[in-house]
Amino acid sequence: EDKVVQSPLSLVVHEGDTVTLNCSYEVTNFRSLLWYKQEKKAPTFLFMLTSSGIEKKSGRLSSILDKKELFSILNITATQTGDSAVYLCAVADPMEYGNKLVFGAGTILRVKS
Amino acid sequence: NAGVTQTPKFRVLKTGQSMTLLCAQDMNHEYMYWYRQDPGMGLRLIHYSVGEGTTAKGEVPDGYNVSRLKKQNFLLGLESAAPSQTSVYFCASSWWREGPNTGELFFGEGSRLTVL
Repeated sequence: EDKVVQSPLSLVVHEGDTVTLNCSYEVTNFRSLLWYKQEKKAPTFLFMLTSSGIEKKSGRLSSILDKKELFSILNITATQTGDSAVYLCAVADPMEYGNKLVFGAGTILRVKS
Repeated sequence: NAGVTQTPKFRVLKTGQSMTLLCAQDMNHEYMYWYRQDPGMGLRLIHYSVGEGTTAKGEVPDGYNVSRLKKQNFLLGLESAAPSQTSVYFCASSWWREGPNTGELFFGEGSRLTVL
């Protein structure tokens, strides 16, 4: 059975701190790993990773994938209160048509001012 | 550009009642999905569709039915609602399997359903 495990489940930090969110996975077939940010409503796309060791960056956020050890990390530097959200990790397991996304339970991040 | 739109946003049902959630997308995506999100369990796939007129079961299909009569619409039905179906439901759509952002889903804003 496909499984995606995120840790920690939740954390509280102060503005300016750096955080690292973890995602480990076990899937039958791997196509890509995706990170989403979910505030009050719909998840919004952050990164997609397909190759090991190549860091993706967007402003203060960065992510890297290790396909040998089956995990990914999402780093957020100089955190701001606007980073408070649930961060979801998902792995794309290709089906005959399209992709099946298997999601982790998410990490709840709260950034205090 | 509306993206993915879900209706209704909120609904309260009594056990045994039926209802339909409507999802509409204006991005000409082939693939559409229905997920449910419960605390501590992430998003779980209910049903999905790879094109007009086709549907398939996901991870948790029991108690739900779907239809994709038009490419832009994907309907999720509950024939006899149960309290265990209290959840937030998300519709999503995506491009073809092969593409620059393969796997990326575009989500609607969610529909909160409570079954009493």
